[in-house]
Amino acid sequence: RKEVEQDPGPFNVPEGATVAFNCTYSNSASQSFFWYRQDCRKEPKLLMSVYSSGNEDGRFTAQLNRASQYISLLIRDSKLSDSATYLCVVIDNDYKLSFGAGTTVTVRA
Amino acid sequence: DTEVTQTPKHLVMGMTNKKSLKCEQHMGHRAMYWYKQKAKKPPELMFVYSYEKLSINESVPSRFSPECPNSSLLNLHLHALQPEDSALYLCASSQVLADVYEQFFGPGTRLTVL
Repeated sequence: RKEVEQDPGPFNVPEGATVAFNCTYSNSASQSFFWYRQDCRKEPKLLMSVYSSGNEDGRFTAQLNRASQYISLLIRDSKLSDSATYLCVVIDNDYKLSFGAGTTVTVRA
Repeated sequence: DTEVTQTPKHLVMGMTNKKSLKCEQHMGHRAMYWYKQKAKKPPELMFVYSYEKLSINESVPSRFSPECPNSSLLNLHLHALQPEDSALYLCASSQVLADVYEQFFGPGTRLTVL
């Protein structure tokens, strides 16, 4: 079983729509959780951290469910520029960072 | 300067060649990382350096040899590679190893092994 699993998508949504997707992790001792964004043929960039209480950054909302071992990302009022691959990142207590395979989101006009 | 730079951007090499990938950052970061990323796959961690010492080697074949000559530079020496080693090689850095989550990635070197 992979350490971090994501629905690969693609999620094709119209501008202005809301899109949400999850990421599950297998190591219950995982400590920290993040969402990175990677545009086509570019490097990954940190999008946001995921806190236990849930957190919001503009149109983006991240949630953590420790009991079910998943994190989620919700994007409201989608923009064309949100089209990218969203990588879930989980860090264990040995500082090992594991990436999910990514969820592709395509926002169409 | 909040940039990680990598050279070259593209590299084509034969299986008998020896080449090196270079990574540089001037953010004062003391943790640096090499990742390998195949198409439509996530980055896979290869090596981690912390304060210029190798901290993590994810069982990478010896044909890949990392080197950290100083706190700003990270090299990856390549020798006798296989075609399946063709991939995007990403370098990243973070302030210290404990800040592993806030890694800044370079644009990568796209390697093709013939």
